[in-house]
Amino acid sequence: QVTLRESGPALVKPTQTLTLTCTFSGFSLSTSGVCVSWIRQPPGKALEWLARIDWDDHKYYITSLKTRLTIAKDTSKNQVVLTMTNMDPVDTATYYCARTLAAAPVLGASDFWGQGTMVTVSS
Amino acid sequence: EIVLTQSPGTLSLSPGERATLSCRASQSFSSSYLAWYQQKPGQAPRLLIYGASSRATGIPDRFSGSGSGTDFTLTISRLEPEDFAVYYCQHYGSSRTFGQGTKVEIK
Repeated sequence: QVTLRESGPALVKPTQTLTLTCTFSGFSLSTSGVCVSWIRQPPGKALEWLARIDWDDHKYYITSLKTRLTIAKDTSKNQVVLTMTNMDPVDTATYYCARTLAAAPVLGASDFWGQGTMVTVSS
Repeated sequence: EIVLTQSPGTLSLSPGERATLSCRASQSFSSSYLAWYQQKPGQAPRLLIYGASSRATGIPDRFSGSGSGTDFTLTISRLEPEDFAVYYCQHYGSSRTFGQGTKVEIK
């Protein structure tokens, strides 16, 4: 079955770089149409889509954070890594990774999600 | 960037009642790129509807989606106790944005 699990530090200091890893199973990121997305959710607030990497290594980023984000995949390890530079307290949130299917008929919705990892930015 | 506005912010209903949730977009887009998710406290979102009206695998048929252009609707025909949650719409075309959510609470 499809599973995803996020891992990374629970606490980072302002200005530091956050590195999160999504380890998945049950699908391959080398299969045409398969992607992995990162989404975050500040406490008590709405979801915010951050980035996506596709089977063919195309990458997409939220415009407002594009200069701070990098997404990369390691297909052999079934992992996707998201880095976010210059962390700020407003980046405190639960970070989710999710399988996203770009092929028809789904065309980009995220059908399987990890349980999320809470990241707090504080000195 | 397409902005999605969901209404109402909170919907207070009783089990067995019908719920109608709205998602309005700042500009028109293909209904092929509209999804609805359900999120319960402490849990990850769950995909309910993609392509505006197609139910995801395992989703009960009391959930239905409709709409086109800038106006989309999620309808829960008869609320079950497990349906009380927050619901988000998402555009996953060029913008990949979420709405701010609608909370469906027990009246």
